[in-house]
Amino acid sequence: DAMVIQNPRYQVTQFGKPVTLSCSQTLNHNVMYWYQQKSSQAPKLLFHYYDKDFNNEADTPDNFQSRRPNTSFCFLDIRSPGLGDAAMYLCATLAGAGTLKDEQFFGPGTRLTVL
Amino acid sequence: DQQVKQNSPSLSVQEGRISILNCDYTNSMFDYFLWYKKYPAEGPTFLISISSIKDKNEDGRFTVFLNKSAKHLSLHIVPSQPGDSAVYFCAASPDNYGQNFVFGPGTRLSVLP
Repeated sequence: DAMVIQNPRYQVTQFGKPVTLSCSQTLNHNVMYWYQQKSSQAPKLLFHYYDKDFNNEADTPDNFQSRRPNTSFCFLDIRSPGLGDAAMYLCATLAGAGTLKDEQFFGPGTRLTVL
Repeated sequence: DQQVKQNSPSLSVQEGRISILNCDYTNSMFDYFLWYKKYPAEGPTFLISISSIKDKNEDGRFTVFLNKSAKHLSLHIVPSQPGDSAVYFCAASPDNYGQNFVFGPGTRLSVLP
């Protein structure tokens, strides 16, 4: 049974056209993460939510925004995608503070193509 | 500036032999380390971890060794099986209860039958 679901799995957008990626989880975890992974590079943390508290990484571009309307869902909004934003976007969850990172679960990712 | 490095992008090993995947880090504040395994079209899945108070952690065919003075860790898979073919990511964190950790770029392991 899928526990961290990402939709769509493949997304194509045009340069400058806003796009939203979706993540949902059935684990009732408090923490949700968004990572960007470019080809042959390490996954790079963009931001994370601890419950409703939003934590932005210092070097995450302003072009990237996130919303978490409830525990189950988290969205990544890219306001004006550039060619350099083409990547795999990974969503992950963690039960909560005080929990070993062993329990972090990843979704399958959304591969974003920017034309 | 990569804080976690995996200098071998790929590794090929014969089935039944040992696979050794290496990882180096630069931040001396890191004291918790994890290995994740990723198959194509799937997200990374947790494999094994080690805290800096240990130098070895073993789970079945998988053993992680940590040399803190050298800022180096390695993952040993013995014996290697074709199903182990995947990308392996090393990750590091300042603590095991924190929110953030840093990934390496991954090593693609191919286990040949």
